[in-house]
Amino acid sequence: AQSVTQLDSHVSVSEGTPVLLRCNYSSSYSPSLFWYVQHPNKGLQLLLKYTSAATLVKGINGFEAEFKKSETSFHLTKPSAHMSDAAEYFCVVAPSGSARQLTFGSGTQLTVLP
Amino acid sequence: DAGITQSPRYKITETGRQVTLMCHQTWSHSYMFWYRQDLGHGLRLIYYSAAADITDKGEVPDGYVVSRSKTENFPLTLESATRSQTSVYFCASSQGLPLRELFFGEGSRLTVL
Repeated sequence: AQSVTQLDSHVSVSEGTPVLLRCNYSSSYSPSLFWYVQHPNKGLQLLLKYTSAATLVKGINGFEAEFKKSETSFHLTKPSAHMSDAAEYFCVVAPSGSARQLTFGSGTQLTVLP
Repeated sequence: DAGITQSPRYKITETGRQVTLMCHQTWSHSYMFWYRQDLGHGLRLIYYSAAADITDKGEVPDGYVVSRSKTENFPLTLESATRSQTSVYFCASSQGLPLRELFFGEGSRLTVL
């Protein structure tokens, strides 16, 4: 069995300050981990993915995430928030062999204040 | 370069009516998925398909029917809509296992009165 927990349902930051969105997971196997972003009235778009290569993963738009096995975490960060980063972010865990068991976190709504 | 398209984008229907949501992808991806998105629940898998004529249930399949006669199409049918099926529905596709990336449509917002 596996699960994913996004520790904050809402995060608010000022433009130009760092962003931290937290995600913890549990999985019986070595999983693949993803972060997706969803802008209002849009589908989800892949930000970055971890698939057992480098533990520090760089994604689009300046985001990155670090896979920490000992902490079962995959937190998403960005050094400097931009207004266009305001969106909902989903952490996703996927076992390597099963499409059915892809599990989404409940999402974190990021607000960027001017 | 259409990618993955869903129709209709918005639909209002009444309890008991049949509704079909369409999904079409242009990449020839083998896997296709239907999710529903509700506040506080993230995305939940309704059905998925590994290839044409191969479908399987997800986490919340009750009240839904799918078919996949062609690789590029994966329609979702609500045979007798209920208010609890009011939701935003997302179709997604992926090349195959292991999953590397899901490509999502823009969603279909369904309201059941």
